[in-house]
Amino acid sequence: QKEVEQNSGPLSVPEGAIASLNCTYSDRVSQSFFWYRQYSGKSPELIMSIYSNGDKEDGRFTAQLNKASQYVSLLIRDSQPSDSATYLCAVKIMDAGGTSYGKLTFGQGTILTVHP
Amino acid sequence: DGGITQSPKYLFRKEGQNVTLSCEQNLNHDAMYWYRQDPGQGLRLIYYSQIVNDFQKGDIAEGYSVSREKKESFPLTVTSAQKNPTAFYLCASSKSPGGGANVLTFGAGSRLTVL
Repeated sequence: QKEVEQNSGPLSVPEGAIASLNCTYSDRVSQSFFWYRQYSGKSPELIMSIYSNGDKEDGRFTAQLNKASQYVSLLIRDSQPSDSATYLCAVKIMDAGGTSYGKLTFGQGTILTVHP
Repeated sequence: DGGITQSPKYLFRKEGQNVTLSCEQNLNHDAMYWYRQDPGQGLRLIYYSQIVNDFQKGDIAEGYSVSREKKESFPLTVTSAQKNPTAFYLCASSKSPGGGANVLTFGAGSRLTVL
């Protein structure tokens, strides 16, 4: 089982709809969770971070974390064509020594296409 | 403006050649990282460094080498021992090596193609 898995996609939604991106992780003690957006040929950029169970909202983006079920999701409301990108879920996985030193483990990414 | 500068942006290499990718940051970050990304894949960690003159192997270190002689610089050498080096290489940094949120800041990336 991969440490971080995302729904495979690609995901296509109409403009104005809600896009839902999901991610599951295997390490029960993970504490930090991140969503990055990556446009084709570009580097990832951070759009959301979440550390506690529940929802965290930032503009049109909402991150949801459920540590008991080991999943984290990203909702994009009122999706726009400019949201079309690959979305990467990243989890701070603890190493064998019980530390992570900022190392992030990434999922394979979900390609989102928002069509007009 | 503070940020991470990677060079070159594009690099072509013949089989059997070593190449070095440059990564420089002026963010005063302690930790630096190298990730590799293949088409349709997520990022995989090659090496990371928490402090000057110290670095650790990531998940796919074979065929790569790094150095951390200065806080600002973390070059990556792709050696001839790396069997499939064609990929997009991303350098990143974070403020502190442990604890806290440790948000990563990425450079623009270097795309290496083996001819």
